[in-house]
Amino acid sequence: GESVGLHLPTLSVQEGDNSIINCAYSNSASDYFIWYKQESGKGPQFIIDIRSNMDKRQGQRVTVLLNKTVKHLSLQIAATQPGDSAVYFCAENMKGDYKLSFGAGTTVTVRA
Amino acid sequence: EAGVTQFPSHSVIEKGQTVTLRCDPISGHDNLYWYRRVMGKEIKFLLHFVKESKQDESGMPNNRFLAERTGGTYSTLKVQPAELEDSGVYFCASSQGDPGTYEQYFGPGTRLTVT
Repeated sequence: GESVGLHLPTLSVQEGDNSIINCAYSNSASDYFIWYKQESGKGPQFIIDIRSNMDKRQGQRVTVLLNKTVKHLSLQIAATQPGDSAVYFCAENMKGDYKLSFGAGTTVTVRA
Repeated sequence: EAGVTQFPSHSVIEKGQTVTLRCDPISGHDNLYWYRRVMGKEIKFLLHFVKESKQDESGMPNNRFLAERTGGTYSTLKVQPAELEDSGVYFCASSQGDPGTYEQYFGPGTRLTVT
């Protein structure tokens, strides 16, 4: 699979490989983090979330990792499929606050 | 269950004109949010309603933007007069519950182009 050490705006992945999308967040007071997927013509769709008291959470084919020491969040997609092509956003939320702060987004393109 | 809906899906207007965007949240969701994505950059928060009250409007760019949520149901976002830099995709989201325990459900967005 391909990995991105720093946030990059685009990621091209071979179908079947694993994808890793990285995100750096800015606020050490953030305690809730979410990954969203946005497909063309649609709004952002929730993928997976994680609280600050955890460092890893798994869903179906997706895993989110949180490193609070360096304020880094990553999304791993296993066995990437063509339907995974989309823009992926990380978002953070401070305790007691309702608004989400989004990262710049990574456009993932899956190659057949 | 119907999701968040937004109208129109696209709007093209000239600089100086007025545009009104509408959002219908998921039924029963007290929290309604407006966000904006400009020029492929990050999605930025504009404001948050709890029922009909503005809870947080810290993200509103200037007084050309006016949001309302009459009766605590649907919301409108009016831009008057529109400027070129207002072009972007405006998203509405809704949620129920306390922050950090909820999921914000997003609508498909309204793409606004100001020429």
